[in-house]
Amino acid sequence: QQQVKQSPQSLIVQKGGISIINCAYENTAFDYFPWYQQFPGKGPALLIAIRPDVSEKKEGRFTISFNKSAKQFSLHIMDSQPGDSATYFCAASSGYALNFGKGTSLLVTP
Amino acid sequence: DAMVIQNPRYQVTQFGKPVTLSCSQTLNHNVMYWYQQKSSQAPKLLFHYYDKDFNNEADTPDNFQSRRPNTSFCFLDIRSPGLGDAAMYLCATSSQGASQPQHFGDGTRLSIL
Repeated sequence: QQQVKQSPQSLIVQKGGISIINCAYENTAFDYFPWYQQFPGKGPALLIAIRPDVSEKKEGRFTISFNKSAKQFSLHIMDSQPGDSATYFCAASSGYALNFGKGTSLLVTP
Repeated sequence: DAMVIQNPRYQVTQFGKPVTLSCSQTLNHNVMYWYQQKSSQAPKLLFHYYDKDFNNEADTPDNFQSRRPNTSFCFLDIRSPGLGDAAMYLCATSSQGASQPQHFGDGTRLSIL
C-alpha cells in the first residue's frame, strides 16, 4: 500500500517557469517530509525537508509548502533550469524508514 | 568531503551465485540503510542498522542479509540472486534518532545473468 501518493508522474516545464510537484499522505504519525532529486545513475540527493510545525520552507529556488490539515505537501521550483531535469521523490517518515512517493520525472526545456 | 561510498558501481553475477555489495561512510553516522531501487521505481527499504542493532523490514526476503562490522562499513549479501533481484542497491546513512536526513551513495547496479 502506497503511503505517499505523488503527482504528476511526469512534468515538462519551460526554462524560467515554475515546476510544482504534489504529494499526499494518510499517516498522521509522519513527522518528517524530505524531497530528493535523482539524476540517472546517481543516488537520491536530499534537496529540502520540512517538519509539520512549519507551513513553508524556502531554500534558494526550492520551496516546500506544507498543509497539515489536508495532509499534503508540495515542492515548487522557481525559475526552473534545464539542469533541474531529473526525477524528484517526496518522502515521509515517522521513524527510520523513508516512505517514498513513486517519483516525478521533470524535464525543463530550453 | 564526507560521503557515502558504494563499491562496485556495477556488479554482474550469475543466477544463484552469492554476491556481496559494500558501503562505507566518512560521516560517522550511527544509522546505515540498504535500499533496493528497481527501474523507474522509488527506493524500497530492505533493512537498517542503528549502530550494531539490525532491523529488518517485514517484507524483505530471507535471501538478503547484511553485516556491519564497524561504524564505517556495511555489507549487503544476496545469498542466491534471482532474476528479480536485478536492481540498483542504495546505501544511506543518517545521524542517530528517527526522522533524520538520510544521505545516499550513488548505488551499485546489479545485473543477473
